[in-house]
Amino acid sequence: GENVEQHPSTLSVQEGDSAVIKCTYSDSASNYFPWYKQELGKGPQLIIDIRSNVGEKKDQRIAVTLNKTAKHFSLHITETQPEDSAVYFCAASIGSGNTPLVFGKGTRLSVIA
Amino acid sequence: DSGVTQTPKHLITATGQRVTLRCSPRSGDLSVYWYQQSLDQGLQFLIQYYNGEERAKGNILERFSAQQFPDLHSELNLSSLELGDSALYFCASSAGEAGELFFGEGSRLTVL
Repeated sequence: GENVEQHPSTLSVQEGDSAVIKCTYSDSASNYFPWYKQELGKGPQLIIDIRSNVGEKKDQRIAVTLNKTAKHFSLHITETQPEDSAVYFCAASIGSGNTPLVFGKGTRLSVIA
Repeated sequence: DSGVTQTPKHLITATGQRVTLRCSPRSGDLSVYWYQQSLDQGLQFLIQYYNGEERAKGNILERFSAQQFPDLHSELNLSSLELGDSALYFCASSAGEAGELFFGEGSRLTVL
């Protein structure tokens, strides 16, 4: 089955700097790659996703890039703010009904003011 | 607020006991998923239901079982509890059989 590796496990950046989180996946049939943000005491929430027919997607300060050949995708957060501090999870799936999302182990991002 | 409701939020019990976690999906969502979150283990998929039927099974122990009822709410039953079962259990729902998941705030289980 699918296996998703995520790095780094922790990341500290100064406010205003950029943060990059990287994930690799094993199943070449995967075609849906979402990123979830989990704030303290809350459940994960989707922040951005990308499908395999797209190489890059942006939404204000966040962007995701996908390299299907290398089977890796990355989350980029620019101009980080203290409220970006959270745990971020990448995930992958084939996108069909009986293949649920497989998550990476998460990255704890701390933005230092 | 995701619209997914989980109860109880916290639960403390002893080894060998049985507990039931409950989940109400977002209005109109037909799929319910259960995930386990332990320290350093990320989100481990347990099981998925779609409109009352089991759709996919992950690393769910035989001591655990789940079901989805006609009103679409779901219950996760954990029995013969062990210390290692202490974790956050998340329920998520989606409109169809795949796509964006909406997570509840989780049920934190502590087994003493």
